[in-house]
Amino acid sequence: DAGVTQSPTHLIKTRGQQVTLRCSPISGHKSVSWYQQVLGQGPQFIFQYYEKEERGRGNFPDRFSARQFPNYSSELNVNALLLGDSALYLCASSLEQGMSNQPQHFGDGTRLSIL
Amino acid sequence: AQSVTQLDSQVPVFEEAPVELRCNYSSSVSVYLFWYVQYPNQGLQLLLKYLSGSTLVKGINGFEAEFNKSQTSFHLRKPSVHISDTAEYFCAVSDQGGGFKTIFGAGTRLFVKA
Repeated sequence: DAGVTQSPTHLIKTRGQQVTLRCSPISGHKSVSWYQQVLGQGPQFIFQYYEKEERGRGNFPDRFSARQFPNYSSELNVNALLLGDSALYLCASSLEQGMSNQPQHFGDGTRLSIL
Repeated sequence: AQSVTQLDSQVPVFEEAPVELRCNYSSSVSVYLFWYVQYPNQGLQLLLKYLSGSTLVKGINGFEAEFNKSQTSFHLRKPSVHISDTAEYFCAVSDQGGGFKTIFGAGTRLFVKA
């Protein structure tokens, strides 16, 4: 079975641009979470989506938005990019939302570089 | 609110030596605890988890961790490391009351030397 897949793997943007990152969860997983991992730090929670609804949001500005589609895939959008948005963006899927004893399955991430 | 502190940012160790990676957490509610490993240019992979029951938890690749509620710790151990264990290790907690957010520590870089 395929794991969590993310695209693209690498992306270079300039300040002020907009970016869309994509994630396909493991088949049968209904919950998708997004994390930002800045170099040298642990992942920071951005969003969780379950059944196409936002169920949780971390301490990120409104420039960050996301959505989940009927097939449970998800997109993360970031507007008005700043140099500080340079990071590895990780997507994780799990079977259900609200069952925090379930481990998350992570994709390999999208490396976003802002020039 | 929860927080996770990984007490060592880097741990160098010789091959076949034992290793312990330390993790302390803070929470006003009961939590589930996890250790993940991240190899270069990859996402995170679950090593082990503590949900309830026995405080000694065994995971993949010969790793184990012990939950200590009184000391709010969840240290990761391996009796004999291999070169291939060189990676970044993250301790994480999530609220037992349900919810959506997993809080990660800053990571510990394990470097195994020949």
